[in-house]
Amino acid sequence: NAGVTQTPKFQVLKTGQSMTLQCAQDMNHNSMYWYRQDPGMGLRLIYYSASEGTTDKGEVPNGYNVSRLNKREFSLRLESAAPSQTSVYFCASRAGGTRNYGYTFGSGTRLTVV
Amino acid sequence: AQRVTQPEKLLSVFKGAPVELKCNYSYSGSPELFWYVQYSRQRLQLLLRHISRESIKGFTADLNKGETSFHLKKPFAQEEDSAMYYCALSPRGNTPLVFGKGTRLSVIA
Repeated sequence: NAGVTQTPKFQVLKTGQSMTLQCAQDMNHNSMYWYRQDPGMGLRLIYYSASEGTTDKGEVPNGYNVSRLNKREFSLRLESAAPSQTSVYFCASRAGGTRNYGYTFGSGTRLTVV
Repeated sequence: AQRVTQPEKLLSVFKGAPVELKCNYSYSGSPELFWYVQYSRQRLQLLLRHISRESIKGFTADLNKGETSFHLKKPFAQEEDSAMYYCALSPRGNTPLVFGKGTRLSVIA
């Protein structure tokens, strides 16, 4: 029972390079989220997908794009990486519906942009 | 606007001492509130939901609507409780959780 799986776990990029962070969940959850975690800033929402086929901006969307490929997968793309995007990125999912059990998180991707 | 405030960035207590991690929220409706814990370099894990009124790892939290607070408490801290703790608010509907900035708990032996 994998839950939420994120790849890669670590990545170093040069400024201007692009990359895609992958996230997949096997719990048949409707909603998926991407957060970044920075010291002293807590968790900030980048993008989310309330259901398959929809995506919405969060608090800090600039410099990122997302794709909800299907119900299981939600990817985050950095088109031209900048040092300010050095962070730990967490993907999460939630079942939705009337009973709110909160999020299930992935193990994170530690990204360094040099 | 919804907001979650955790006033302490760092809280240090001695092993065996009581712990209280503060969380205050701002929301006009009836929120659902959560506590998440993150052990060193691991994923965030759900610790408590206010609606379930359960005790996990000796932690409890009571929703006080008058004071708009959801403080996390444990009567006797253990070294393994050292971690980052996040309070989160879920507005009604399918909108994303709103997180506080977190409190790092350090339990000193």
